[in-house]
Amino acid sequence: KQEVTQIPAALSVPEGENLVLNCSFTDSAIYNLQWFRQDPGKGLTSLLLIQSSQREQTSGRLNASLDKSSGRSTLYIAASQPGDSATYLCAVLETSGSRLTFGEGTQLTVNP
Amino acid sequence: EADIYQTPRYLVIGTGKKITLECSQTMGHDKMYWYQQDPGMELHLIHYSYGVNSTEKGDLSSESTVSRIRTEHFPLTLESARPSHTSQYLCASSDRTVLQGTQYFGPGTRLLVL
Repeated sequence: KQEVTQIPAALSVPEGENLVLNCSFTDSAIYNLQWFRQDPGKGLTSLLLIQSSQREQTSGRLNASLDKSSGRSTLYIAASQPGDSATYLCAVLETSGSRLTFGEGTQLTVNP
Repeated sequence: EADIYQTPRYLVIGTGKKITLECSQTMGHDKMYWYQQDPGMELHLIHYSYGVNSTEKGDLSSESTVSRIRTEHFPLTLESARPSHTSQYLCASSDRTVLQGTQYFGPGTRLLVL
């Protein structure tokens, strides 16, 4: 059974800092890994998707890496802003394509 | 393994037609979701429901509507299909919140609007 763990559970940083969110998964037989953000009371916003054959993806100030063999992914946020405050979720899609497993999220607060 | 079903699996339809994509699950899950996914692209949540008579819009703006009259059914309707609606639509369910755990996906409906 796939298990996805995110560390830390919560993070509070001053504005402007670079930060790293970590995600680990127990079964490396994944199809892809996706990072989402969730704002309070709202649905999910997709940030980045990394196919199992890829090592990293970048979008603006975000960079996500994937090391499938070790079961790890990181989300790097450069020059953090208060608007980045949200819960960040990592999710892995199994090779069958039928099951998407989410981690419990990292709650990020960026202080002005 | 997952008892979640979607029909039709494939649909080719003309512009302006009304369509309903069916999704049903027999696992007794309270939470159900609709995602839209273009080939090789991210999953985008378009609708979700946390129980009967509960529906919310997801991140990606969609002209579709959903209903949740019964726990096991979560149909998605497009009143007037357009070519821009061409995509794959995936239904999922879970017995936990979207912040945790596993969502089980149906096989998807591939929609082509001419």
